[in-house]
Amino acid sequence: EADIYQTPRYLVIGTGKKITLECSQTMGHDKMYWYQQDPGMELHLIHYSYGVNSTEKGDLSSESTVSRIRTEHFPLTLESARPSHTSQYLCASRTEEAEAFFGQGTRLTVV
Amino acid sequence: KNEVEQSPQNLTAQEGEFITINCSYSVGISALHWLQQHPGGGIVSLFMLSSGKKKHGRLIATINIQEKHSSLHITASHPRDSAVYICAVGSNYQLIWGAGTKLIIKP
Repeated sequence: EADIYQTPRYLVIGTGKKITLECSQTMGHDKMYWYQQDPGMELHLIHYSYGVNSTEKGDLSSESTVSRIRTEHFPLTLESARPSHTSQYLCASRTEEAEAFFGQGTRLTVV
Repeated sequence: KNEVEQSPQNLTAQEGEFITINCSYSVGISALHWLQQHPGGGIVSLFMLSSGKKKHGRLIATINIQEKHSSLHITASHPRDSAVYICAVGSNYQLIWGAGTKLIIKP
């Protein structure tokens, strides 16, 4: 059974707070991704990683940062949350054969 | 032009109808995914295809590599099938997403 976990599922936080969205997978996948999705809109790639110590920015500019210190863990951090960061954030990982697995998403609201 | 095009964007049907959602892509791919996203936001992977046809319950997915086209079919549709269905294609390093098809099945 494939497992990829995102926490928290829902987060309401005040402007200016630092937040970290967690994503973990137990499948040993090297490739991991963060996507951002506004309601009713397409998913946009904001960060990706090909393995430990590898991180790249995606197609959509984002003020968030990511790290990949361990294969199974790919956290996303916002140093100072703003209302414009309100969105859904989705984490995914892939096998080398391109099969993809998705987390349940984190719905972030910044007030 | 988007690299992954889905049609229709929105689809409303009556319970029991046969549903078809289409996906066309213009890039070379290693696999194509069909995903389902419910209003709560969570995404479930339905199928991964690199050739031919797959069936799971009432869901059938087909892909034609030469024509760069895939279809997702739902037989005997039910209101619980109401969701956004997303086509995504995987190349070596990236997943490229379609815009999604919002499906509403009325009882």
